[in-house]
Amino acid sequence: QSVLTQPPSVSAAPGQKVTISCSGRTSNIGDNYVCWYQQLPGTAPKLLIYDNNKRPSGIPDRFSGSKSGTSATLGITGLQTGDEADYYCGTWDSSLSAGVFGGGTKLTVL
Amino acid sequence: EVQLVESGGGLVKPGGSLRLSCAASGFTFSSYSVNWVRQAPGKGLEWVSSISSTSSYIYYADSVKGRFTISRDNAKNSLYLQMNSLRAEDTAVYYCARVIVGATGLDHWGQGTLVSVFS
Repeated sequence: QSVLTQPPSVSAAPGQKVTISCSGRTSNIGDNYVCWYQQLPGTAPKLLIYDNNKRPSGIPDRFSGSKSGTSATLGITGLQTGDEADYYCGTWDSSLSAGVFGGGTKLTVL
Repeated sequence: EVQLVESGGGLVKPGGSLRLSCAASGFTFSSYSVNWVRQAPGKGLEWVSSISSTSSYIYYADSVKGRFTISRDNAKNSLYLQMNSLRAEDTAVYYCARVIVGATGLDHWGQGTLVSVFS
């Protein structure tokens, strides 16, 4: 069981918007920055969002991140079939002195 | 171009050992913290261990503490993971990943190396 909680799956139509939630506690999300990763089938994860809401160079502004209290959210607008992937949230847990990930959310673009 | 290339994976029996390596290129390796992250077949990501740029700070997941040892050689631009007392549940693809300087996030990942532990 993962330290951070994500919904197992979400789906939406092409062109629509979807949000993926990530829930934790004070010792992880509450006290630390959150990042988000996209993993396409058969490939290594790719950083989408770091420090709650910053995008690395090359990541389109269709992807956004936010944090409030002990929860974080990834938003994706203008969905494309190429966005079908697994998405993971991650952060540091100050109590565990360890990195932690969510269980992952599979995005289906219908 | 930033590159991280893992090697050393393979088949091993329970109780055995393996040493993974990660060769870094395209950036100043000695300036970055690096992590190991693993993914069991069909499962999610699991953080394994991290080491700071000068090896001053080292952390492990509880699931590997006492069995795995992370290390680095900045002169060789290399990261290592010594894995002892391997268990079936250690079977996974192991990725090395670079930490963004001054931020939270792993901005570059290797392609991974598969470790299979079975009798």
